[in-house]
Amino acid sequence: AQSVTQPDIHITVSEGASLELRCNYSYGATPYLFWYVQSPGQGLQLLLKYFSGDTLVQGIKGFEAEFKRSQSSFNLRKPSVHWSDAAEYFCAVGGLIYNQGGKLIFGQGTELSVKP
Amino acid sequence: EPEVTQTPSHQVTQMGQEVILRCVPISNHLYFYWYRQILGQKVEFLVSFYNNEISEKSEIFDDQFSVERPDGSNFTLKIRSTKLEDSAMYFCASKSRSRGTESYEQYFGPGTRLTVT
Repeated sequence: AQSVTQPDIHITVSEGASLELRCNYSYGATPYLFWYVQSPGQGLQLLLKYFSGDTLVQGIKGFEAEFKRSQSSFNLRKPSVHWSDAAEYFCAVGGLIYNQGGKLIFGQGTELSVKP
Repeated sequence: EPEVTQTPSHQVTQMGQEVILRCVPISNHLYFYWYRQILGQKVEFLVSFYNNEISEKSEIFDDQFSVERPDGSNFTLKIRSTKLEDSAMYFCASKSRSRGTESYEQYFGPGTRLTVT
C-alpha cells in the first residue's frame, strides 16, 4: 500500500539550531517526493521536490532534503532554523502514472515550534 | 506569478444543505485535484480530473460529491447534502502536462474552510 510516515508529530528547536524532519514512504512505483509547508490558516507551499538525479535537493528558504532509496526516506533539513520557520511540514509522495491523475499521498505532518 | 485561487475562504452551512466550492486553477494547467484536511489531520486526496472527466477518486469521494469544470477557468466541488463530518479545509490543486519536471508539481490554492453545523 502507498503510504507516508512522519514519525514526529511535534518538534521544538531553538532558533539557530539545526533541524531534521523525518519522512519514510512506501510506494510501489518510482516515487516523486515533496515537502510542503503550511503556516497557520494558510495553504500548502512547496518547499522542494525530488524526481530523479542528485539525491540531495535544495529548496526554498534554505531547506534541503536527501532521498535515500535504501531506507525509503526523504528527510528534510535546515542548518539554522529561524523563528519564521514555525509551521506544519508535510511530506508527500506521488507518481507519474499516465492513466491516472498523479494524486499526492501525504504524511500526518510535523508541527515545528521554534523557541527563542 | 500564477496562482490557484479558491472561493469562498470560509463557508458555513447547515447539515443537509448543498455547497459548491469554487477554484480557479492556473490557466495552462490540465490536471485538477481536490484534497481535504480535517482539523488536526493529514491532507487527504479526494479526486483528480483530467480531460473533462474524473481520472481517479478516493473512497471518501462518494455519491454525495461531484466535480465539474463548467467553463474554461473554474473547477468546482459540490457536496449535495452536507454532513457534520464534511467539516474540513478543502484544497484545490492544479498541475500542467508540459514536459519536464514542472509537470509533476501540484500547485495548491489557499483552501476553503467548510463548517457544517
